Amino acid sequence: DAGITQSPRHKVTETGTPVTLRCHQTENHRYMYWYRQDPGHGLRLIHYSYGVKDTDKGEVSDGYSVSRSKTEDFLLTLESATSSQTSVYFCAISDQGEYTEAFFGQGTRLTVV
Amino acid sequence: SQKIEQNSEALNIQEGKTATLTCNYTNYSPAYLQWYRQDPGRGPVFLLLIRENEKEKRKERLKVTFDTTLKQSLFHITASQPADSATYLCALGQGGKLIFGQGTELSVKP
Repeated sequence: DAGITQSPRHKVTETGTPVTLRCHQTENHRYMYWYRQDPGHGLRLIHYSYGVKDTDKGEVSDGYSVSRSKTEDFLLTLESATSSQTSVYFCAISDQGEYTEAFFGQGTRLTVV
Repeated sequence: SQKIEQNSEALNIQEGKTATLTCNYTNYSPAYLQWYRQDPGRGPVFLLLIRENEKEKRKERLKVTFDTTLKQSLFHITASQPADSATYLCALGQGGKLIFGQGTELSVKP
């Protein structure tokens, strides 16, 4: 299995609080992605990174920010969590972006109450 | 607007038959297209990647086609088995982004 770990695996938080999810890889892949998955919507891209300190928005970036200060870590922050951000979040890594296969983490189930 | 569309309805087939899943896209010009499998409660797992000049690619019982004129990819599972039951997602790239369709749920009955 590719070395990619998400933490935490489960989290319950209150509306209005900030939340940070972590994605850690040991593969030295250049690209890292954050997705959310909701019933009826499939996987939707939130943000992605193509190198240290190089990030860009995806399809559903409002209310989320990211940071990548090291190759191995990609952090997703919900600045002020809302109930609409209750979802399963997946991190993925890829050596050459869309030109090579992506490896996914186990997912983080986030509930905002 | 840009869209990736997969069969929204679940596909139910009998064991031993060939399953065919469709991925259509609009307003993209991908050079590569990928297919993934996802089981409940797990992250997607890569299956196959096809380049625009390959037209067809095979791996064991899996076959993928890629028609850039029709803007469509077909994913076939031959001699299907109950263990093939899962959700299958297509994905394409644009400028570093990897964008997924909503997936098609396949159920193979014994």
